Amino acid sequence: QSALTQPASVSGSPGQSITISCTGTSSDVGAYNSVSWYQQHPGKAPKLIIYDVSDRPSGVSNRFSGSKSGNTASLTISGLQAEDEADYYCTSYAGSITVVFGGGTKLTVL
Amino acid sequence: QVQLVQSGTEVKKTGASVKVSCRASGFTRTSQGVTWVRQAPGQGLEWMGRIGADNRNAKYAQKFQGRVTMTTDAFTRTAYMELRSLRSDDTAIYFCAREWRLNSFDPWGQGSLVTVSS
Repeated sequence: QSALTQPASVSGSPGQSITISCTGTSSDVGAYNSVSWYQQHPGKAPKLIIYDVSDRPSGVSNRFSGSKSGNTASLTISGLQAEDEADYYCTSYAGSITVVFGGGTKLTVL
Repeated sequence: QVQLVQSGTEVKKTGASVKVSCRASGFTRTSQGVTWVRQAPGQGLEWMGRIGADNRNAKYAQKFQGRVTMTTDAFTRTAYMELRSLRSDDTAIYFCAREWRLNSFDPWGQGSLVTVSS
């Protein structure tokens, strides 16, 4: 199972919006509406911020949104804040109760 | 408060085995599985596998098949991940997480550092 493809890094200024892509295949991202996104600050455990492509768990800011088109999912963060600086990972269900992670994207808030 | 508490740091020799525990508290549902993810130093997250709450339906990433065993103890609400034939590239932080729903892991344990050296 190959990892999903994410850009290594993205950056944006406070108040701006950024989008992180997550590209898989027709066997994972394209096959299921089961893409999740996680935020990880240095030295911390990951935190679920998006599930089922575009749903937010309770307590997660509505500045985070998700979408999917074909084999590519996307995470958009609007109104960037300094606290959003972190690593972001996508995951997709890949069938037969297996999951595949993306390589991760480092977000820098300028 | 829902939380997962993992066992502490382990230092192992090459070829040895390690068993990491993950104890749940504050859960009202006992039917959810546990997934295990690891993160090598400076690297990304890697899915290792999962185990159902009933200690069935274990599924391992192909990379770890034959070397890993995941189990759960419903009485103590503790999940375990055992990795055998350790190599230096198994040095990583190992996380457990509750399968809140399909492909959605929340909450996560604090992580257990496993260091493998010769």
